[in-house]
Amino acid sequence: QVQLVESGGGVVQPGRSLRLSCSASGFNLLGYGMHWVRQAPGKGLEWVAVTWSHGSDNNYAESVKGRFTVSRDNSNNIFYLHMSGLRVEDTAVYFCARDQGLVHTDGMDVWGHGTTVIVS
Amino acid sequence: SYELTQPHSVSVSPGQTARITCSGDALAKKYTFWYQQKSDQAPVLVISEDTRRPSGIPARFSGSSSGTVATLTISGAQVEDEADYYCFSTDSSGNLLVFGTGTKVSVL
Repeated sequence: QVQLVESGGGVVQPGRSLRLSCSASGFNLLGYGMHWVRQAPGKGLEWVAVTWSHGSDNNYAESVKGRFTVSRDNSNNIFYLHMSGLRVEDTAVYFCARDQGLVHTDGMDVWGHGTTVIVS
Repeated sequence: SYELTQPHSVSVSPGQTARITCSGDALAKKYTFWYQQKSDQAPVLVISEDTRRPSGIPARFSGSSSGTVATLTISGAQVEDEADYYCFSTDSSGNLLVFGTGTKVSVL
């Protein structure tokens, strides 16, 4: 069964760091692009970051560039979001999502249920 | 920064047609994707590459694009189509990805 499960969310003080994990099952992360998308309480979706196939190219939203980084553990099929210098405005539900594209978006077809980060 | 603009809300009666627009300067050259998000759920891809409907998405959902405006159409909207809808695309460089501002669709 193709599935994504996020973990690692919690309450953290401003300026601190947190690492989110996205565990994939039923498919190999290497064959897909992977995104992080967030949604602040009562707000719309905000794209955060993407790593394309083989992790050769990563892109970030301006709001997180220089503070957040993405990485993969290929042996365990886990996708990470490393967040540092957290701000109150980073409070959100964070979703990971699989992209059918290898080097550019072809649609995010599998999503996790999200993990909540509260910066306070 | 790059922005995709959508109407805040659209209301239709069951069986009517709902149209949601998405405006962005780069849409004439970049594909638009559409996502449906129901309350407290993860988003679902309903239209890919301007017009392509993924497997399992009802045929009443369709997409089109002309110039800098993409449109999601729900023909014969059902009560279960009530949700927030977001367009998604890239800027002209292809490196910056962005969701639209979102449209709340009410079917009542």
